[in-house]
Amino acid sequence: EVQLVESGGGLVQPGGSLKLSCAASGFTFSGSAMHWVRQASGKGLEWVGRISSKPNNYATAYAASVKGRFTISRDDSKNTAYLQMNSLKTEDTAVYYCTIWEDWGQGALVTVSS
Amino acid sequence: DIQMTQSPSSLSASVGDRVTITCRASQGISNYLAWFQQKPGKAPKSLIYAASTLQSGVPSKFSGSGSGTDFTLTISSLQPEDFATYYCQQYNSYPYTFGQGTKLEIK
Repeated sequence: EVQLVESGGGLVQPGGSLKLSCAASGFTFSGSAMHWVRQASGKGLEWVGRISSKPNNYATAYAASVKGRFTISRDDSKNTAYLQMNSLKTEDTAVYYCTIWEDWGQGALVTVSS
Repeated sequence: DIQMTQSPSSLSASVGDRVTITCRASQGISNYLAWFQQKPGKAPKSLIYAASTLQSGVPSKFSGSGSGTDFTLTISSLQPEDFATYYCQQYNSYPYTFGQGTKLEIK
């Protein structure tokens, strides 16, 4: 059974940083691209970014709204993907999901507020 | 960026009805189109990828069609558990983009 479990969410002040983790199991993590998607309360889904697998050189891609502030990484030895979020803004407040599209985590709530 | 526009934004239907949701891309995306279902407080669930391929375990009451810029999701014989919000998503090019969602409500 595929499991994706996000952790690391919480309350952070504007301008601050937070790092989310996504622990994966039940599939070949090292061979899978990992995506992050977010959803502000009452709003739609927004793709945040992606990290490819090792054969694709761990290539990353980001939404314009987070480019230069967010960094996606992975540790295949730990079956874990990460989302490092810097220079956070109030508009980054959302539930953040990691996903391989056919399966999704339960989400981690990030609240950016003073 | 490719813009995805869903219609309608909301839809009221009765149990047993058949409904169709449309999704239009601002430029051609071949068949790189997925559909997701989301219930309140839950993560999205993948229904369809490649415009018309059902995800494993998804009942055949869900069907998708289209190519290029125009796509549809059809749900037949609506049941109470089908009332949710549905999103289309293009994965033809980065940044991947979602439609704004269609909220399917019980009439």
